[in-house]
Amino acid sequence: DPKIIQKPKYLVAVTGSEKILICEQYLGHNAMYWYRQSAKKPLEFMFSYSYQKLMDNQTASSRFQPQSSKKNHLDLQITALKPDDSATYFCASSQERGQGRHTEVFFGKGTRLTVV
Amino acid sequence: SQWGEENLQALSIQEGEDVTMNCSYKTYTTVVHWYRQDSGRGPALIILIRSNEREKRSGRLRATLDTSSQSSSLSITAAQCEDTAVYFCATENYNQGKLIFGQGTKLSIKP
Repeated sequence: DPKIIQKPKYLVAVTGSEKILICEQYLGHNAMYWYRQSAKKPLEFMFSYSYQKLMDNQTASSRFQPQSSKKNHLDLQITALKPDDSATYFCASSQERGQGRHTEVFFGKGTRLTVV
Repeated sequence: SQWGEENLQALSIQEGEDVTMNCSYKTYTTVVHWYRQDSGRGPALIILIRSNEREKRSGRLRATLDTSSQSSSLSITAAQCEDTAVYFCATENYNQGKLIFGQGTKLSIKP
């Protein structure tokens, strides 16, 4: 059974619209992340959350807003969508964020977003 | 090698052969993660090597790390068809949980 659930698996959106990508993890982890993978760039870190608090934001645009309603949820809201936002977005989690230890980061299967 | 502006590399070998994938990194790291990604799936960690380790083995996998040259390698012995995947190296920024991935190597194993 998948331990990190991302919904939907595929998403087609119109330019200028808004979408929310859903992520739930059932690994009991305290840290959650969003990464993006496109044809033009390698896997790219976007955000990290620890205990539902934003810890690191590497996304230049404020159009990307993570939302954590529960400890094991980290959704990603994207507004004013552009064709360049087309990519696969991966949610990930780890036991703890850093704290001097290297812990495995687990990834979900991703949401493939296409903006037309 | 993977990193920087290099395009995704592709390697194709016969089943049973050995293969080595290289990775060079630019930023300071205390660990190198090696992930594999199967088609339609997210990356999965296969081996992690810390800066105080020169070599790490796990089954048919062997990772090396040379912090002086900021490079790492992943070797697979006696490759099997199920090893077909894209392999990424990633560094971790000061234990912050933020992984910086290389471009990846697409490995194809032919029967």
